[in-house]
Amino acid sequence: QVQLVESGGGVVQPGRSLRLSCAASGFTFSSYGMHWVRQAPGKGLEWVAVIWYDGSNKYYADSVKGRFTISRDNSKNTLYLQMNSLRAEDTAVYYCVRNCGGDCGYAFDIWGQGTMVTVSS
Amino acid sequence: DIQMTQSPSSLSASVGDRVTITCQASQDISNYLNWYQQKPGKAPKFLIYDASNLETGVPSRFSGSGSGTDFTFTISSLQPEDIATYYCQQYDNLPPYTFGQGTKLEIK
Repeated sequence: QVQLVESGGGVVQPGRSLRLSCAASGFTFSSYGMHWVRQAPGKGLEWVAVIWYDGSNKYYADSVKGRFTISRDNSKNTLYLQMNSLRAEDTAVYYCVRNCGGDCGYAFDIWGQGTMVTVSS
Repeated sequence: DIQMTQSPSSLSASVGDRVTITCQASQDISNYLNWYQQKPGKAPKFLIYDASNLETGVPSRFSGSGSGTDFTFTISSLQPEDIATYYCQQYDNLPPYTFGQGTKLEIK
């Protein structure tokens, strides 16, 4: 079935780096734009970054611009989020999300289970 | 950036009630508005796209309407399994793809 599985979360000190991965299965990964969305404890959803289906375009939320990098390897059906210079306010559950495309309003139709990132000394 | 304002932030209703949530965009987003449901401890679930189109498999008691800057999400007859937080999200042109702050729905 269609599935996204994140990994790589954990506890990290402020200023350090972490790389999240998201393994996709059950669909043609290379045909879909992909996003990262995060949710701080007890808070709402915050869009983080998007990458086009072919990796040709990438966009970031202002809160992570210059520190986070989204990438993908279509040969491995995997999405990544490289997070550098981490701050306490980056503490959140990070979701890998598929963009369903124009046929369904570019909605975020498939979500992973999320991986927790805690930035703390 | 486009801001999305949802109201109310929380809502208590009885089983069988009609429930309405509103979402207002800071500028015209046509119908580029999606709705999601998030149950505690779970990932969000996609419910409605383009303001009023139900995703496949979503119960027909859920509906959405609106265009431009003002949008509405309705549950026609609240069921116990509908207890969740609901988010609107705009998808107009380029990022950021802003979410509303969420509406937490509880059973009275």
